Amino acid sequence: SAVISQKPSRDICQRGTSLTIQCQVDSQVTMMFWYRQQPGQSLTLIATANQGSEATYESGFVIDKFPISRPNLTFSTLTVSNMSPEDSSIYLCSVEEYGNTQYFGPGTRLTVL
Amino acid sequence: QKEVEQNSGPLSVPEGAIASLNCTYSDRGSQSFFWYRQYSGKSPELIMFIYSNGDKEDGRFTAQLNKASQYVSLLIRDSQPSDSATYLCAAKGYTGRRALTFGSGTRLQVQP
Repeated sequence: SAVISQKPSRDICQRGTSLTIQCQVDSQVTMMFWYRQQPGQSLTLIATANQGSEATYESGFVIDKFPISRPNLTFSTLTVSNMSPEDSSIYLCSVEEYGNTQYFGPGTRLTVL
Repeated sequence: QKEVEQNSGPLSVPEGAIASLNCTYSDRGSQSFFWYRQYSGKSPELIMFIYSNGDKEDGRFTAQLNKASQYVSLLIRDSQPSDSATYLCAAKGYTGRRALTFGSGTRLQVQP
C-alpha cells in the first residue's frame, strides 16, 4: 500500500488562528479524503479532494472553515481556519488504492486552547 | 441518513477464543465493506474488505457479509492480547461516492 505522511503530527494552537495540515503520498493517487475524529468518536468525512477540481465537502463542513488544496496527485493540504476548542480532533487523510481500498495517514492531533 | 451501526462494547474475550464483531448498515446501495483496526492514539489500519455475500478469510480473520440482512461481521480466531483495539466497520456507498461511512467502532479486549 501507499506510504502516507502527514505534517505536523500534532500541534497546540490558540483560538482564532489557522493551521495547515499537509498530506504526502509516495505514489500518485486519484482520490484523497480528509476525515476528522473527535475524542472518543468515529471518523467523519470532511471532504473529498480531487486533483484539478474543487474539493467536495460533506454536510456541515464548509470551504471557508476547511479550505483544501490538491495541487497534484501526491499531495494535499487541509487548513483549519479561525479555530475554536471544538476543532480539537485528530485529522486524517486517506487515499484510495486499487479502485476500492482506503489507507490512512498517521493523523494530525490538534488541540485548540 | 446512511448509517453504519456497531455495538460500542467493550467486548471482552479470553485469549485463544473467537471474537465476533458485528455491524449493520442502512444503505442497501452499499457496495463494499471494510474492517479497520485502530489502536489507541493510532490511525486506522485496514484489516480486510468484502463485497460479495458469504465469507472471506485472511489468516485469523474472517469477514462475513449478508446483503439481504444488511449485516457484516468480523471473526477473529485465536484472539491475542495484541488484538485489543477498536474495530471500525465502514461501508462504501452508491456508485460515484468513493468515501467511506464509518460505524462508531467496537472496543475489543482480549484477556490474557
